[in-house]
Amino acid sequence: DAGVTQSPTHLIKTRGQHVTLRCSPISGHKSVSWYQQVLGQGPQFIFQYYEKEERGRGNFPDRFSARQFPNYSSELNVNALLLGDSALYLCASSLVPGGTYEQYFGPGTRLTVT
Amino acid sequence: GQNIDQPTEMTATEGAIVQINCTYQTSGFNGLFWYQQHAGEAPTFLSYNVLDGLEEKGRFSSFLSRSKGYSYLLLKELQMKDSASYLCAVRDPGNSGAGSYQLTFGKGTKLSVIP
Repeated sequence: DAGVTQSPTHLIKTRGQHVTLRCSPISGHKSVSWYQQVLGQGPQFIFQYYEKEERGRGNFPDRFSARQFPNYSSELNVNALLLGDSALYLCASSLVPGGTYEQYFGPGTRLTVT
Repeated sequence: GQNIDQPTEMTATEGAIVQINCTYQTSGFNGLFWYQQHAGEAPTFLSYNVLDGLEEKGRFSSFLSRSKGYSYLLLKELQMKDSASYLCAVRDPGNSGAGSYQLTFGKGTKLSVIP
């Protein structure tokens, strides 16, 4: 079975631009979470979606938004990019948000803002 | 919110045993996870503890004490491939009502295994 997939793998953008990152969860998983990982740090929670509804939001500005589609795939959008947005963006899926179910991470999208 | 502390770096010898500690202060707790992350790769799940005690899985074991806000990951019979960052993460109910569970990660412990 395919794991969590993300696209694109790498992306270079200029300050002020907009970016859309995409994630497809493991088949059967209905919960998707997004994390930002800056080099040398642990992942930082951005959003969680379950059954197409936002269930959690981390401490990120309104420039960050996301949505989940009927097939449970998800998009993360970032507007007005700043240099500090350069990071690895990880998507993780799980069957449901809680319980004993761990989150499975995708390979990530490495975003560079110049 | 959550505050999670773990050592920044550790070095151990191939074949030895290493213990990576994690302490946390929480406003909510719904389990503690350990993940392994090789450089440039995604985190992979190692263990999950929600009750006090030791969980063993092959060469890896994880311990939790909720009253002390403390966990450790024990790696036995170290191999060179165990060189990676080890991330401690606490799951809490979040701030968006029922059904919201989010992971808060520590900064990770970079383990170097030397011959």
